[in-house]
Amino acid sequence: GENVEQHPSTLSVQEGDSAVIKCTYSDSASNYFPWYKQELGKRPQLIIDIRSNVGEKKDQRIAVTLNKTAKHFSLHITETQPEDSAVYFCAASINGANNLFFGTGTRLTVIP
Amino acid sequence: DSGVTQTPKHLITATGQRVTLRCSPRSGDLSVYWYQQSLDQGLQFLIQYYNGEERAKGNILERFSAQQFPDLHSELNLSSLELGDSALYFCASSVAFAGDTEAFFGQGTRLTVV
Repeated sequence: GENVEQHPSTLSVQEGDSAVIKCTYSDSASNYFPWYKQELGKRPQLIIDIRSNVGEKKDQRIAVTLNKTAKHFSLHITETQPEDSAVYFCAASINGANNLFFGTGTRLTVIP
Repeated sequence: DSGVTQTPKHLITATGQRVTLRCSPRSGDLSVYWYQQSLDQGLQFLIQYYNGEERAKGNILERFSAQQFPDLHSELNLSSLELGDSALYFCASSVAFAGDTEAFFGQGTRLTVV
């Protein structure tokens, strides 16, 4: 089955700096790659996703890039703010939201 | 609010016991997914139901079972509980079981086995 690896496990950045989280996947058939943000004690919330027919997608300060050949995808957050502090999970699936395989998460801390 | 409702929010029970976690999907969603989130692990996919039928199975223990009812709500049954079963259990739902669709998570049920 699919195996998703995520790095780093923890990341601290100064407010205003950029943060990058990287994930690799093993199943070349995977075609859907969402990113979830989970604040302490709360549910994971989808923040951005990308499908395999697209190489990059942006939504304000958040962007995701996908390299199908190398089987990796990354989350980029620019101009970080303290409210960006949370655990971020990447995931991969061969079919939409079905059977999402999650990475182990990255705890992002934005230092004011 | 994602529209996915999970009950109860917290559950404390003893080893060897059995519990049932309940999930009501968003209105119109036919697919329900169950995930387990332990302290030292990420989100682990357990099982998926679509319109009452099991569609996919992940790393779900034999002591665990689930079902989806005609009204589309789902229950996850955990039996012969062990200390290691303590975790956050999330339910998610989506419109379809295939294709371009995203999953919306409920607030989770925190299970503590003592």
